[in-house]
Amino acid sequence: AQSVAQPEDQVNVAEGNPLTVKCTYSVSGNPYLFWYVQYPNRGLQFLLKYITGDNLVKGSYGFEAEFNKSQTSFHLKKPSALVSDSALYFCAVRDLADDYKLSFGAGTTVTVRA
Amino acid sequence: DTGVSQDPRHKITKRGQNVTFRCDPISEHNRLYWYRQTLGQGPEFLTYFQNEAQLEKSRLLSDRFSAERPKGSFSTLEIQRTEQGDSAMYLCASSSGDWNQPQHFGDGTRLSIL
Repeated sequence: AQSVAQPEDQVNVAEGNPLTVKCTYSVSGNPYLFWYVQYPNRGLQFLLKYITGDNLVKGSYGFEAEFNKSQTSFHLKKPSALVSDSALYFCAVRDLADDYKLSFGAGTTVTVRA
Repeated sequence: DTGVSQDPRHKITKRGQNVTFRCDPISEHNRLYWYRQTLGQGPEFLTYFQNEAQLEKSRLLSDRFSAERPKGSFSTLEIQRTEQGDSAMYLCASSSGDWNQPQHFGDGTRLSIL
């Protein structure tokens, strides 16, 4: 069975500083990894995915993520955070053995202060 | 692309009543998923349709829950004899048949049981 851990409940950064949201995963086969963002009372918006290929994946709104197979991690990054990036971020994994479902972490609340 | 649409956005009902939620997926997507999200947690998989066929159900989906997708387009999720523990956000997502494509989520239906 697949699982995801987001070790930080909250991340606080100043606007203009780099932002990192951590994620580690566990799957039995090859991982297919996703990041989503959720704003209050809204659904999840897709940011980026890793399926195969380059370990550095670029996504929407200036976000990128680095896949590290040896550390089983998929950390989300943004070089210069904006106040509007304040939201709840979820990492998710899909295992091809159960390719119909995503398994999500508990989420990380990001607060970017002006 | 009008996105995934869910109705209603909010539902308040008394314990013991039946409720039904509707999801309209992105039109060209043949896969449809239901998830449940409680406060402070990531979404948890409930069930999955490919076209009109319900292919997987989580053990979270007790016999009080039923989901349908009669014509392979919209889907309904019904909860009978609601309980306090059913209070949650119910999220619908859809995706194309390509396994490497992301799931796209609606804004959810928030259910509150009095």
